[in-house]
Amino acid sequence: DAKTTQPNSMESNEEEPVHLPCNHSTISGTDYIHWYRQLPSQGPEYVIHGLTSNVNNRMASLAIAEDRKSSTLILHRATLRDAAVYYCMGRRGYGQNFVFGPGTRLSVLP
Amino acid sequence: NAGVTQTPKFQVLKTGQSMTLQCAQDMNHNSMYWYRQDPGMGLRLIYYSASEGTTDKGEVPNGYNVSRLNKREFSLRLESAAPSQTSVYFCASSQEGLAGYNEQFFGPGTRLTVL
Repeated sequence: DAKTTQPNSMESNEEEPVHLPCNHSTISGTDYIHWYRQLPSQGPEYVIHGLTSNVNNRMASLAIAEDRKSSTLILHRATLRDAAVYYCMGRRGYGQNFVFGPGTRLSVLP
Repeated sequence: NAGVTQTPKFQVLKTGQSMTLQCAQDMNHNSMYWYRQDPGMGLRLIYYSASEGTTDKGEVPNGYNVSRLNKREFSLRLESAAPSQTSVYFCASSQEGLAGYNEQFFGPGTRLTVL
């Protein structure tokens, strides 16, 4: 089973980088690590995923520890629109029994 | 493409009443999911369907039933609603890729209150 832990909240100034950590110490060696975010009053939206190496896309970067027990979502320049709750996601057991972490509420200060 | 749609958007029930939440996706995805999100909390998986004709329990299935009507539609039924089921319900869909890669697309949610 994948048990994930995340800090409850974080704060950043606009235009500064933000590093959002997630511990997933029980993740399977073959499972991808996914990150989602949820803007106020909306459903979650996909941000990024990775398996073993660092990943970049237009929204963010994902740094994965060598032992895969933790990962860090990196927003290179936070904007006010990035204020959201960020979730890492793992798998519970087998199949598509996915488990979201508790989420980190990111506040971005102007 | 509409993506994932859910009906209704809001619902108020009395304890013991029943209702069905509807979800449809137009992305030809194989997998569909129902989650609940209690106030100030994260998402918890209720049931999922890996393909048409199959359903499996998630983390919190008690008090719910599901039906995968066809590839597009996945409904969630509350047979006898309880106040503890007051929550926002999200439907999602995905197309499974290699080794568990799973980008899920979420609907806008149904806000349910049980009095």
